[in-house]
Amino acid sequence: EVQLLESGGGLVQPGGSLRLSCAASGFIFSTYSMSWVRQAPGKGLEWVSGISGSGGYTNKPDSVKGRFTISRDNSKNTLYLQMNSLRAEDTAVYYCVKPPTGCPSGCAAFHIWGQGTMVTVSS
Amino acid sequence: QSALTQPPSVSGSPGQSVTISCTGTSSDIGSYDRVSWYHQPPGTAPKLMIYEVSSRPSGVPDRFSGSKSGNTASLTISGLQAEDEADYYCSSYTTSNTVIFGGGTKLTVL
Repeated sequence: EVQLLESGGGLVQPGGSLRLSCAASGFIFSTYSMSWVRQAPGKGLEWVSGISGSGGYTNKPDSVKGRFTISRDNSKNTLYLQMNSLRAEDTAVYYCVKPPTGCPSGCAAFHIWGQGTMVTVSS
Repeated sequence: QSALTQPPSVSGSPGQSVTISCTGTSSDIGSYDRVSWYHQPPGTAPKLMIYEVSSRPSGVPDRFSGSKSGNTASLTISGLQAEDEADYYCSSYTTSNTVIFGGGTKLTVL
């Protein structure tokens, strides 16, 4: 069974840092691009970072450029999101997501979602 | 880049069909067939219902169908059921190699 298990969320002060992890199982992790998607309380979905299967290509929206860094360790089947200079508007549930089987490069679609990890930025 | 535009709410009675629209620009929906739709009941993670405009993942009923014309994509749900009540989100790949979502549509089954 394909599973994604996020960890690392919590309460952090504005300007602080946090590193999220996502342990993947049930599929050949290194062959799939992966992404992080977040959802602020009561709000919609926002894609925050994506990374190729090899880790050689990453991208992110302007809202997190210069602050968030996505990475992966294919030997550990783990995806990461390093978040620096956190702001109140970064408060959200962060989901680790995998594309559909047959779309290893992504299809810009997110089939498997983790349970999410909550990040709260507040003083 | 601005979010895709969806109606805030739609409604329908059981057995009826409803269509949710998702309007973008020539820099996203108009440039790629990489439109997806997600269903999110309250308190749960989103579920992928449609990808690449009209493909359904295994397990998604064929009551759900997707289409695209120009800069606008649509999700049609036929034979509406009570369990279809949820928030629905569209998304698209963009010419900036990013992914953007719509603001979401609340579907109410009357």
